[in-house]
Amino acid sequence: DTEVTQTPKHLVMGMTNKKSLKCEQHMGHRAMYWYKQKAKKPPELMFVYSYEKLSINESVPSRFSPECPNSSLLNLHLHALQPEDSALYLCASSPHEGGPSYEQYFGPGTRLTVT
Amino acid sequence: RKEVEQDPGPFNVPEGATVAFNCTYSNSASQSFFWYRQDCRKEPKLLMSVYSSGNEDGRFTAQLNRASQYISLLIRDSKLSDSATYLCVVNPLSGGYNKLIFGAGTRLAVHP
Repeated sequence: DTEVTQTPKHLVMGMTNKKSLKCEQHMGHRAMYWYKQKAKKPPELMFVYSYEKLSINESVPSRFSPECPNSSLLNLHLHALQPEDSALYLCASSPHEGGPSYEQYFGPGTRLTVT
Repeated sequence: RKEVEQDPGPFNVPEGATVAFNCTYSNSASQSFFWYRQDCRKEPKLLMSVYSSGNEDGRFTAQLNRASQYISLLIRDSKLSDSATYLCVVNPLSGGYNKLIFGAGTRLAVHP
């Protein structure tokens, strides 16, 4: 079962709020990813966790703070966001991080609106 | 030059048509290649991996030409349900990391 779940599906938050996005997979995958996707654009990588350790941060502003409590869970903590941060936030997982041919499986995403 | 470039869309085709999408990538050391499809306001879903020998899955055929750094996807006998955006995806395996680079996508609209 190639399923990645994300909550919430939709989130509206003000610029002074603090919120968190959650992602879960039970496929035994050891790599998890956060992507941001704006309308009519491809997904852009934000963070990569490998074996519960942050291995890639694509120069993401500190108002986005990832956390990987265990191998099945990935959170993205949001604080003091800007309206331009409104986007679809996608979580993905893959069996491992390194090595060829490891497909990534995406969750349904959280559609975030910052007001 | 973009790392992954795709045919500009949209492609509007009738049901039953054969349609081909092309994609080029700039990093000759890239190791793995994929086609994903994305429906409007949904997540990308893996359609197929692309292997050097070419591979087929039902109506879908993917080809890879490493010498030309070119990937293609052929869809035969198009169905209405094939309408979606098709994303060409390359993993350059830079530094050993599994980082997917997405093309901008090509939109396909299949009409009755």
